[in-house]
Order: sequence, then C-alpha cells, then structure tokens
Amino acid sequence: EVQLVESGGGLVQPGESLRLSCEASGFTFNEFLMHWVRHIPGKGLEWVSSISWNGRKVDYAGSIKGRFTISRDNNKKSLYLQMDNVRSEDTALYFCAKPLGSMGGAFDSWGQGTLVIVSS
Amino acid sequence: DIHLTQSPSFLSASVGDTVTITCRASQKFNSYLAWYQQRAETAPKLLIFATFNLQSGVPPRFSGRGSGTDFTLTITSLQPEDSATYYCQQLTSFPLTFGQGTKLEIK
Repeated sequence: EVQLVESGGGLVQPGESLRLSCEASGFTFNEFLMHWVRHIPGKGLEWVSSISWNGRKVDYAGSIKGRFTISRDNNKKSLYLQMDNVRSEDTALYFCAKPLGSMGGAFDSWGQGTLVIVSS
Repeated sequence: DIHLTQSPSFLSASVGDTVTITCRASQKFNSYLAWYQQRAETAPKLLIFATFNLQSGVPPRFSGRGSGTDFTLTITSLQPEDSATYYCQQLTSFPLTFGQGTKLEIK
C-alpha cells in the first residue's frame, strides 16, 4: 500500500524559512516523479512544484519560484520542500503527491498534508 | 499557462439527482485532464484521469468526457457522501494547474 507522510509544518513568521518532508513507502520511490501541492484556505488547490525521479528536472509554480526549492533523497525515500522568505499567502495545507505513472500523470496517492501558517 | 475555469462554483442538488460540472481551458490541450474530489481539508481523491478513465475503486456513477478546451464531470444518482468540492486539473504542461473548484452540496 502506498503511503506518503508529510511533516515539518508549523507556525512561521513572514520572511522566515521552513523545510517540509514527505516520507514515502509502498512503491518504488526512486522511479517516480513527485509533486508538492497546497490547499490554500478559501482558495482551492495549487500545484507547487515537481521533481523528476533523479532530481535533475524541477518545475515550480510562478508564485513560489525563487523562494522554494524541491529536492529528494532516494536512499531515504523522501521528498523535501525548502521554503524560504515565506509570505502570508503561503499559508496552506501542503501535500506531497505521487502520479499514476513513473513519468507523470494524474495524482493517485496523496499524503495527509502538513499545515503551514505564516503569521507575525 | 493553461487556465482552467470551472462552472458552476457552487451546486446544490438532492440525493438521486444527476449533476454536471464543466471545466473550460484557456487554450486547447491534449486530454491529460483529471478530476478530484476533496472533502473538507483532507487529501484530494482522484476520480477520473485522462479525461474519461475511471480510477480504480471509484463508483461508475462518476464519468468524464470532453476534448479541446471543454471537459465535464458527471455524477449520476447522487449520494450523501458526494458532498465535497470537485477540481479539474490539466497535466499537459507546466505549470500544472487546477480549476478553482466546484462545491457540491447535497440537500
């Protein structure tokens, strides 16, 4: 059974940093592209970032480009999101998600999410 | 960027009804469109992928169709547990984008 478990969320002040983690199990993590998606209260879902199986190709939403960095450690079966210079609009529930196919496709497995609140 | 607009934004229907949600794209793309169901602040659940393919375990009351710029999700024989927010998503090109969501209320 696929499991994705996020951690690292919390209350952070504007301009500060936070690192989210997602630990994967139940599938061959090192073969899959992976994603971060966030649910902004009252606004809906927003795709945040993706990383290829080997970490060589990354993509970011325009709203976080230059501030967030996605990475992975295949040995630890873990996905990360380094969030720097956070803003109030980054307040959201952050999910990691796995696609149907190793190269992409719809997101068939999601973690439970980790809540990030940016507030002074 | 491919912008997705869902309509309606809010829908109220009764048990047993049939409803259709529309997702319109700002430009034509191939049919890599998915639909998700999200209840409250929980993880979204994949319902439909590649426009019309039913995800394993999803009841056949859910169906998808469309092409080009116009896509639909239809739910027949509505059940109380269908009360949720529904999102479309395009997976053709980065940035991947979601529609703004359609909140379905079961009366």
